[in-house]
Amino acid sequence: NAGVTQTPKFQVLKTGQSMTLQCAQDMNHNSMYWYRQDPGMGLRLIYYSASEGTTDKGEVPNGYNVSRLNKREFSLRLESAAPSQTSVYFCASSEARRSPWAGELFFGEGSRLTVL
Amino acid sequence: AQTVTQSQPEMSVQEAETVTLSCTYDTSESNYYLFWYKQPPSRQMILVIRQEAYKQQNATENRFSVNFQKAAKSFSLKISDSQLGDTAMYFCAFMKHGTGTASKLTFGTGTRLQVTL
Repeated sequence: NAGVTQTPKFQVLKTGQSMTLQCAQDMNHNSMYWYRQDPGMGLRLIYYSASEGTTDKGEVPNGYNVSRLNKREFSLRLESAAPSQTSVYFCASSEARRSPWAGELFFGEGSRLTVL
Repeated sequence: AQTVTQSQPEMSVQEAETVTLSCTYDTSESNYYLFWYKQPPSRQMILVIRQEAYKQQNATENRFSVNFQKAAKSFSLKISDSQLGDTAMYFCAFMKHGTGTASKLTFGTGTRLQVTL
């Protein structure tokens, strides 16, 4: 039971380099999300995909792009990394919004990114 | 926009004791959900408990219960009979009730709970 799988788990980049974080879920969930977690700031939504074929901006989308490759996979790309993007990134997925599953996100283990 | 505030960055409790984590939120919505999520060290974040705003009864899940005060916009988490495995970062979160497929949550800054022997 893999759940939500993120790769890589750790990455060090230099300013200006690009990279893609990969995320895959095996729960047949419709919706997927990318959050970043910074000390003292909790989790902030970067982008989300309500369903296959759609993506929308979250709270902090600047500097990022996403691709919902298929129902299972949702990638996050940093085109030109900046030190302010040093963070822990979490991918999550969820079933339909209606209760009893409303708001239950299933998270990956996180990807720690350092931009020098 | 909604905001979620957790004013206790760190807390400590002895094993078998009871601890309460505080959360306040600000919203103009009348119907919404509130959540507590748990992030153990080096492990995935999981949902602990969920409360629907229109339900007056406080949610409970085994040793975890909430005190939901809608008028005061307060949503605290009580952990009874604390166990070492409860050591984690706890996040309070808010979600508007409504249409759409995605569950867009707004998280607080978290409270780090340490359970000691």
